[in-house]
Amino acid sequence: AQSVSQHNHHVILSEAASLELGCNYSYGGTVNLFWYVQYPGQHLQLLLKYFSGDPLVKGIKGFEAEFIKSKFSFNLRKPSVQWSDTAEYFCAVNALLYSSASKIIFGSGTRLSIRP
Amino acid sequence: DTGVSQDPRHKITKRGQNVTFRCDPISEHNRLYWYRQTLGQGPEFLTYFQNEAQLEKSRLLSDRFSAERPKGSFSTLEIQRTEQGDSAMYLCASSTGTSGTQETQYFGPGTRLLVL
Repeated sequence: AQSVSQHNHHVILSEAASLELGCNYSYGGTVNLFWYVQYPGQHLQLLLKYFSGDPLVKGIKGFEAEFIKSKFSFNLRKPSVQWSDTAEYFCAVNALLYSSASKIIFGSGTRLSIRP
Repeated sequence: DTGVSQDPRHKITKRGQNVTFRCDPISEHNRLYWYRQTLGQGPEFLTYFQNEAQLEKSRLLSDRFSAERPKGSFSTLEIQRTEQGDSAMYLCASSTGTSGTQETQYFGPGTRLLVL
């Protein structure tokens, strides 16, 4: 069965620090990978996604992620964080359903706190 | 694009009562999903609709749970005889239903249920 692991449960950084959030998935076949963000009091929003092609994908708000197939990883990065990046970040993978649709399997999330 | 909407946003109920939640997907999105998110965890898949047909149900969806999408537009999720373990955030997502796993699901704000 597919699964997603986020090893950092809570990350605390100062403004302007660089960010890297780890994400590993378990699945041997073709994967589609996502990072979703949930700002305080708001709903889940898509940050970026990887379907195919260039393994380095760029998302909104200066975030990027790199798909490394050999390491089963899809880490999220941002060179300089801002206080407004305080949020919960979820790594996710699509799993095919029998009906040819797909469900999303989420990691447990990483809470990012930015000190002003 | 008005996004996915859910109603109510919050619901407090007593154990044993029935509750019903509504989801309005992005217009023209033919796929609709329900997820449940408990504290400290990522969302977990509950069920999926392609138009009005409910095609997939997770084992998480006990007999007390029922979902409908009668006209292929909005959907309702009903929980009968609620239990304290049902306390969670119930999320709805929709997508345009491209084939396989290359689809992007857009999430609503969720309904937070508290069972006393």
